[in-house]
Amino acid sequence: EADIYQTPRYLVIGTGKKITLECSQTMGHDKMYWYQQDPGMELHLIHYSYGVNSTEKGDLSSESTVSRIRTEHFPLTLESARPSHTSQYLCASTRGGTGSYEQYFGPGTRLTVT
Amino acid sequence: AQSVTQLDSQVPVFEEAPVELRCNYSSSVSVYLFWYVQYPNQGLQLLLKYLSGSTLVKGINGFEAEFNKSQTSFHLRKPSVHISDTAEYFCAVSYFAGGTSYGKLTFGQGTILTVHP
Repeated sequence: EADIYQTPRYLVIGTGKKITLECSQTMGHDKMYWYQQDPGMELHLIHYSYGVNSTEKGDLSSESTVSRIRTEHFPLTLESARPSHTSQYLCASTRGGTGSYEQYFGPGTRLTVT
Repeated sequence: AQSVTQLDSQVPVFEEAPVELRCNYSSSVSVYLFWYVQYPNQGLQLLLKYLSGSTLVKGINGFEAEFNKSQTSFHLRKPSVHISDTAEYFCAVSYFAGGTSYGKLTFGQGTILTVHP
């Protein structure tokens, strides 16, 4: 069973607040990812990291930012939340190397901005 | 740009009936292919994957999928479904070239499978 955790699971917050969504994995995976998923829609990659101090923007433009100062931790921050940020955010990780291996997903954070 | 198309947004079936969920992808390079399942309010769980070798891949919970390179398809099948298979299923593709994959996945839009008693 994959060991990747996300907190909080659910968050309701007012417009303009700063929020940080936490993601941690205990598998020692080098690569980590953040996806945004709207109801009934596919997952869109918004950020990824190939290791410590490495972060890149994904295919879907996002106002959020990420950091990777420890292998196991990949938090996502919204400086000023807006209703358009309401969505589910999924964190994933996979091991490094030149091959492509399956991604392990956390349970997700469902964010509602009022 | 690479894309993944799941041809059915919703598939209703009766319990113990067979089911096929269809997935096509666009590609001019080699691919790895995955099927994930998502239960309500949960993350994604890997059902099966194709990396190389036999084109028929078996996964968990009795699911299998067949990689068809000429048709760029990776359809998911189960010969007899259960109520507990009700969930959303996502096809995903990882593209790589020159022997290197960057691990990023492109997902299809998802297929909601509803199994009726």
